[in-house]
Amino acid sequence: GESVGLHLPTLSVQEGDNSIINCAYSNSASDYFIWYKQESGKGPQFIIDIRSNMDKRQGQRVTVLLNKTVKHLSLQIAATQPGDSAVYFCAESGRYSTLTFGKGTMLLVSP
Amino acid sequence: KAGVTQTPRYLIKTRGQQVTLSCSPISGHRSVSWYQQTPGQGLQFLFEYFSETQRNKGNFPGRFSGRQFSNSRSEMNVSTLELGDSALYLCASSLSGGPRETQYFGPGTRLLVL
Repeated sequence: GESVGLHLPTLSVQEGDNSIINCAYSNSASDYFIWYKQESGKGPQFIIDIRSNMDKRQGQRVTVLLNKTVKHLSLQIAATQPGDSAVYFCAESGRYSTLTFGKGTMLLVSP
Repeated sequence: KAGVTQTPRYLIKTRGQQVTLSCSPISGHRSVSWYQQTPGQGLQFLFEYFSETQRNKGNFPGRFSGRQFSNSRSEMNVSTLELGDSALYLCASSLSGGPRETQYFGPGTRLLVL
């Protein structure tokens, strides 16, 4: 099947900086995308989602941008905190509940 | 509302043995999906159950199987364990498993095969 991938395996930022995590997808028919955060020893935690009829969606300190023209998705985290350190996955939701995950980006936040 | 729970959290088995993992979804959720997470392959979909029926299956050998009970709790079984089955097995639940429903994950069961 087609895959969802991430550009950067590790992103290191300073506390207070804004972080941007990128994701490329290959299935042009994809119409729903989710970002998950996974901390060490825990399962993925839902952060934010976006449907293909939108190009931007905002949450608390997070914004997801979708560019369907270039099949690119990004997660922006404002004022990054040490507690944001985790692995971030983008995922495409396919038929029924099949999620296709990218490989993940590790975000490291230094105080 | 309690989250998705998985038992056991950790498990050590030897090659050739079989293992059963359990997942209790969020109350009211009827769809349960299972995923395998490894450093090399990342998160991969195993199967999804809804109303006690397997509705979708990933690309895994027949040694991996599952079932769902009438209370939506689910189990997955791996027979004839191989070293490569060592992984974090994650369960996720959603209301009905629709294509745009949020899936909520449990903490996972970490399986080590020796």
